[in-house]
Amino acid sequence: DAKTTQPTSMDCAEGRAANLPCNHSTISGNEYVYWYRQIHSQGPQYIIHGLKNNETNEMASLIITEDRKSSTLILPHATLRDTAVYYCIVGSNAGGTSYGKLTFGQGTILTVHP
Amino acid sequence: ETGVTQSPTHLIKTRGQQVTLRCSSQSGHNTVSWYQQALGQGPQFIFQYYREEENGRGNFPPRFSGLQFPNYSSELNVNALELDDSALYLCASRPDGAAKNIQYFGAGTRLSVL
Repeated sequence: DAKTTQPTSMDCAEGRAANLPCNHSTISGNEYVYWYRQIHSQGPQYIIHGLKNNETNEMASLIITEDRKSSTLILPHATLRDTAVYYCIVGSNAGGTSYGKLTFGQGTILTVHP
Repeated sequence: ETGVTQSPTHLIKTRGQQVTLRCSSQSGHNTVSWYQQALGQGPQFIFQYYREEENGRGNFPPRFSGLQFPNYSSELNVNALELDDSALYLCASRPDGAAKNIQYFGAGTRLSVL
């Protein structure tokens, strides 16, 4: 799986958009970008994933550059409860009984301030 | 709420002892993975089970072993505990047919080895 690079930490004011970048310059053609977050004292939580088109769900939006070498997770109106470590992970989207090893990096610590 | 529950939440053991950690996932989630998360680090993949068979393993020694049962419960066993085994142990499940990299995590078991 391709390696990802994320900033160590970011701050955001409550109510503003939080934009979390991720570099994945070695991503291959069939690999997707996945985002998870881990709130203190909880397990990681799946947020969103995408291949090359922008994606949006009830939690966030994912913007992937045209060359697919980087992406940005957007939390449109951050709240205090969004304070967490955010992980960007690259991997294939195979299903079935495929061996699914999530390779977590250090992630980005997002702190949302009142 | 992910439908994945782990027990116990906290555990203290001494070096050389053996420990069993438990996980219960939802009906239809036949793939279970275990991760180890040291303090300040991202989770590291230990192994994955599908329908009671191990089908993928990370860089962990054989003293880390697992079992999966037909009732959607599973166990992680660690023998000959070492101080470096102190970590948060996370269980993650995946429903049949879902993409392999979309996993649902429990809150984890915090193991302290003294």
